[in-house]
Amino acid sequence: DAGVIQSPRHEVTEMGQEVTLRCKPISGHDYLFWYRQTMMRGLELLIYFNNNVPIDDSGMPEDRFSAKMPNASFSTLKIQPSEPRDSAVYFCASSRERDNEQFFGPGTRLTVL
Amino acid sequence: GENVEQHPSTLSVQEGDSAVIKCTYSDSASNYFPWYKQELGKRPQLIIDIRSNVGEKKDQRIAVTLNKTAKHFSLHITETQPEDSAVYFCATHNAGNMLTFGGGTRLMVKP
Repeated sequence: DAGVIQSPRHEVTEMGQEVTLRCKPISGHDYLFWYRQTMMRGLELLIYFNNNVPIDDSGMPEDRFSAKMPNASFSTLKIQPSEPRDSAVYFCASSRERDNEQFFGPGTRLTVL
Repeated sequence: GENVEQHPSTLSVQEGDSAVIKCTYSDSASNYFPWYKQELGKRPQLIIDIRSNVGEKKDQRIAVTLNKTAKHFSLHITETQPEDSAVYFCATHNAGNMLTFGGGTRLMVKP
């Protein structure tokens, strides 16, 4: 298995632009998680899905952030409009069970100018 | 919600020495306690985990201990090597179905 796949690996955009991050979980994993990592706030869970259904989005910072999982093999995290404070590394992770090992993707480093 | 405190934030040891990282948590319903290692510029990767029905678990040079009464768990690395240098995160999984991470410990192993 190729592991969790994320794209793009790096994204540089200007404030106000829409940003879409993509994730393909490991096949057979029922749980998908989106995290944000910054020096100041560490690793934060933004939202997670179970069987393509959003379960808990309490970590989503504000309405500018949205996430979807249209099928078992694809999820997106969208920021519209983007702001400089959104600059961070965004990780997608998947797991087979709720409290089992989470496998992280390589991350997307987002820079908003 | 769950609060996970991790100490120390940085740790420097000499190669061959042991390293200990400690975490405390607040939610008594937490039942799964993984440790992740993140090398510079890389993704976090699980190195060991423990569940609430086990007090200690060992895997070669790495061991984790859990004290549910006191709500703390620790990571022990023996015979440290330069390749152990990384940021280590503890985490807890609680009844809210969320994984909450500690703030991380930057471990530096000096050759």
